[in-house]
Amino acid sequence: AQKITQTQPGMFVQEKEAVTLDCTYDTSDPSYGLFWYKQPSSGEMIFLIYQGSYDQQNATEGRYSLNFQKARKSANLVISASQLGDSAMYFCAMRAYNQGGKLIFGQGTELSVKP
Amino acid sequence: NAGVTQTPKFQVLKTGQSMTLQCAQDMNHEYMSWYRQDPGMGLRLIHYSVGAGITDQGEVPNGYNVSRSTTEDFPLRLLSAAPSQTSVYFCASTYHINSPLHFGNGTRLTVT
Repeated sequence: AQKITQTQPGMFVQEKEAVTLDCTYDTSDPSYGLFWYKQPSSGEMIFLIYQGSYDQQNATEGRYSLNFQKARKSANLVISASQLGDSAMYFCAMRAYNQGGKLIFGQGTELSVKP
Repeated sequence: NAGVTQTPKFQVLKTGQSMTLQCAQDMNHEYMSWYRQDPGMGLRLIHYSVGAGITDQGEVPNGYNVSRSTTEDFPLRLLSAAPSQTSVYFCASTYHINSPLHFGNGTRLTVT
């Protein structure tokens, strides 16, 4: 069975500082994908970054990077130079390829950026 | 390009009533899913489909039915609404299993 765990219900970060949001996962499938989504207070789900299990390098998208440690089964999101607009809920999600279209989410981390 | 369209945006039901949440996408995506979001629980998968005529259960399927007669539409049926089904429901689609989901704007359902 797949499982995603986000252990930080809430985080605070000072504007312009970097922050790491934790995500650990569990799957027996050697082939899987990991995703991070942002949900601002307006409620829409915004895709941020993707990492495949066979990707050799950590994924990066602008100020977002994914610290992928396969042996530890962790996929932490790093946001550099935090902005006030980064205040939102952040969800980690995983899809194991032998599970077809089944994308499973973690419980989320609420990030608050302080001015 | 409308993307993923969910209707209605808001709905109030009485216990025992039935209803259908509509979801349509115009991107020719094979994969479609329904999630519910409750405070502190993240998004939990209700049902999903990997193509027309194929559906499967997710993490919390009880009390919900789905069908996929066309690529575009993936309605979610509540058979007999219960207060525990009060939630925000999201429909999502994608064209490939290693591609990100495109989400609808959600339906806020209250069951009294």
